[in-house]
Amino acid sequence: SAVISQKPSRDICQRGTSLTIQCQVDSQVTMMFWYRQQPGQSLTLIATANQGSEATYESGFVIDKFPISRPNLTFSTLTVSNMSPEDSSIYLCSVGLNEQFFGPGTRLTVL
Amino acid sequence: GENVEQHPSTLSVQEGDSAVIKCTYSDSASNYFPWYKQELGKRPQLIIDIRSNVGEKKDQRIAVTLNKTAKHFSLHITETQPEDSAVYFCAASSNDYKLSFGAGTTVTVRA
Repeated sequence: SAVISQKPSRDICQRGTSLTIQCQVDSQVTMMFWYRQQPGQSLTLIATANQGSEATYESGFVIDKFPISRPNLTFSTLTVSNMSPEDSSIYLCSVGLNEQFFGPGTRLTVL
Repeated sequence: GENVEQHPSTLSVQEGDSAVIKCTYSDSASNYFPWYKQELGKRPQLIIDIRSNVGEKKDQRIAVTLNKTAKHFSLHITETQPEDSAVYFCAASSNDYKLSFGAGTTVTVRA
């Protein structure tokens, strides 16, 4: 399976600021996704990162809050904008079609 | 959209006993059903999956069964060991590859 890395692994941010999370894969992949896992909860799909076009967002998630880039088939970024404490979560990227593999996650704490 | 329900939320078993986790899904278009294991502080790891054209799949001590008519699928772990202690998530997806996750089951194996 692909080797997936994320940066940063964790961060503590002040409310009102933005954080950009990077996801890097060691091979070209067609599908990349971004998920959120709130403390002690399950995973929720934020959006599908489409290469060369705008991301496809799930209900409850909007581009202004979670802008996503996918400049090529090995890299994507997720920005969490204008953060509030409710954005404190683990953010994970995943790659694959049916068999999806997750990056190590970015643990975000917003004060 | 897809709604996946998972039961029980917690499960405690004696080492060597079996553990069973059950999930139901709502969307008849769902055709892929993976199970993920997440240890504390780690990323979710795919442990087994089943596609809609198969009724049962086994891999050593773990097995998954699928009943398409009833829209439910189950994870069976036999001869449980302490290292099986983790949170287990079921999920479902269709041809868009977007995973909808269950709420998770915390499994504790007592030595």
